[in-house]
Amino acid sequence: GENVEQHPSTLSVQEGDSAVIKCTYSDSASNYFPWYKQELGKGPQLIIDIRSNVGEKKDQRIAVTLNKTAKHFSLHITETQPEDSAVYFCAASRGMGNTGFQKLVFGTGTRLLVSP
Amino acid sequence: DARVTQTPRHKVTEMGQEVTMRCQPILGHNTVFWYRQTMMQGLELLAYFRNRAPLDDSGMPKDRFSAEMPDATLATLKIQPSEPRDSAVYFCASRSETYEQYFGPGTRLTVT
Repeated sequence: GENVEQHPSTLSVQEGDSAVIKCTYSDSASNYFPWYKQELGKGPQLIIDIRSNVGEKKDQRIAVTLNKTAKHFSLHITETQPEDSAVYFCAASRGMGNTGFQKLVFGTGTRLLVSP
Repeated sequence: DARVTQTPRHKVTEMGQEVTMRCQPILGHNTVFWYRQTMMQGLELLAYFRNRAPLDDSGMPKDRFSAEMPDATLATLKIQPSEPRDSAVYFCASRSETYEQYFGPGTRLTVT
């Protein structure tokens, strides 16, 4: 089955710096890769996702890149702000197309702390 | 703004009591998941349903946990009898046909 590894487990940056979180996956058939942000006391919130037919996707200050050959994908946050402080989870699954139903497999999370 | 709702948000109960958690998925989403989150184990998938039919509940302790989806607007997770090790945050999530999966706010369960 799929296995997702996420690094680093904690990341501290100064406000305005960039932050990068990396994930690797094992199943070459995985084709959907979402990222979630979880703030204290709340449920994980989908912030961006990428599908295997693209290599990069941006949404304002966040971007995700995908390297299918190397089986890794990354979340990039630019111009970080204190409100970006949270735990971020990556995930991977098959499921797009006709490969049958597949669940998301999550990484173990990265705690991001943005200091003013 | 469509969102997944869960009730109750907090539950404190004594060991041995029955606990029922409820979830209303986003209208039109036909796949519903139950997760448990603890500091030690992270996010664990307990069970999921597609078109109200259970697809996989292998992550759930069968002797005490049960999950049902009596209709398209309600999913339930029951624990009977509850134990202190069940203390965790339980999340429901629903997924669209284009694969985006959205989580509810969670039910924080404390079993004393």
